[in-house]
Formats: sequence, structure tokens, C-alpha cells
Amino acid sequence: DTGVSQDPRHKITKRGQNVTFRCDPISEHNRLYWYRQTLGQGPEFLTYFQNEAQLEKSRLLSDRFSAERPKGSFSTLEIQRTEQGDSAMYLCASSHLGYNEQFFGPGTRLTVL
Amino acid sequence: GIQVEQSPPDLILQEGANSTLRCNFSDSVNNLQWFHQNPWGQLINLFYIPSGTKQNGRLSATTVATERYSLLYISSSQTTDSGVYFCAVVPLMDTGKLIFGQGTTLQVKP
Repeated sequence: DTGVSQDPRHKITKRGQNVTFRCDPISEHNRLYWYRQTLGQGPEFLTYFQNEAQLEKSRLLSDRFSAERPKGSFSTLEIQRTEQGDSAMYLCASSHLGYNEQFFGPGTRLTVL
Repeated sequence: GIQVEQSPPDLILQEGANSTLRCNFSDSVNNLQWFHQNPWGQLINLFYIPSGTKQNGRLSATTVATERYSLLYISSSQTTDSGVYFCAVVPLMDTGKLIFGQGTTLQVKP
């Protein structure tokens, strides 16, 4: 059990560019969550998958955001046409089932210039 | 939606002191977790405690679900305990996403 991993750890991009982040959950965890954390705040839920199905999306997830988990293993989060307001830490978590303990990855820190 | 409130927002201690962090939530929950966020931003799991009491070394936690609060106790604090502590809950009948409080920032001075 190697824990949740995320890649890249840091990303600096210019406004208007597209970025993609990857999350590898703990093996055999069928739930995968994405959260976003801005400076001084607690993490906020973005979306989650059960296996390959995306079952819920927050209203925070605008049309510029898309997430996939094609084979029920790793997941990607893409942000199109990035804006300065997208600058944040993007966190991924996984768990066995919906109410079980969630474990977080190290996060991807995005800076949009 | 459910509200999660943590207190105090900031806490400064001398090394060796004890402290209690509180988390109040406004509705019934299925899950409650305590995390420590390290300086690099990673959330470290401390306790999964929807009810009852658990202990892990110098840390212990108690959740009284019927009264909608949880407490995190840190004894004999060390400088490495510094950081932000988050409480997060999964509301009853919700799908599993965690709702976080605003955190308590702890600074332990040598």
C-alpha cells in the first residue's frame, strides 16, 4: 500500500492555458474524490467517482473543469482556459466506500500567472 | 447544508503544554475525521471517529455524536505538532464527500 499519489506536485501556468493533473488512489479503493483548497481555507469538495462513474459534481466545478477515471483506477482533472482564480491546491483522496476513512494525496499546487 | 465550526482559530503553546481543539457540527453525521496539515500541504490522517473515544500516543479524540461535537486532545505538545488541524464530516444521508471546518492553526514554541 503506497498511499495516494498525485502528479505534478507543482504547476505554474499562464492564464488561458490548459492544465491536467493526475491522481493514483490506494489500490482497490473504489471511491476517488477531488477537493480544492485556497489559502487560509479548508478543502472544498469538487467531484467524486465510484469506480469509473462520476457520481457528483460541486457547483464549484465550472464548465472549464472536467474529470475522468476511465478504468476505475487513476483519475485526471483538467482545467481549460485557466484563470487566476484557479490558483489553489488540488487534493485527491480515496476510500473503500462512501462512509469509510478517506486518505489524501500530497496535492498539486497550481499557480496561474 | 451542514456547518462545521472549529475553535479556537489560532493557538500558541509552549512546548510541553496540553491543548484541546473543538469541532462543532450542525447536523447528524456518518463520518468524522481529524487531520493535521503539514507545512507542505499534505493532510495527515489523525483519527476516523464518528463516535466514541480513540487514542494514539499523545493524541486522543472524542466524538459525542448526539451532541454534535468532537474534541481533539494534544498532550505534551512538541514543535513538530505545529500546523493546521482540520475536522471534516460526512453528513448523514450524504454521498460520502467530506465537509471541512476552517481549521485551527497551532504554533508550538520551544
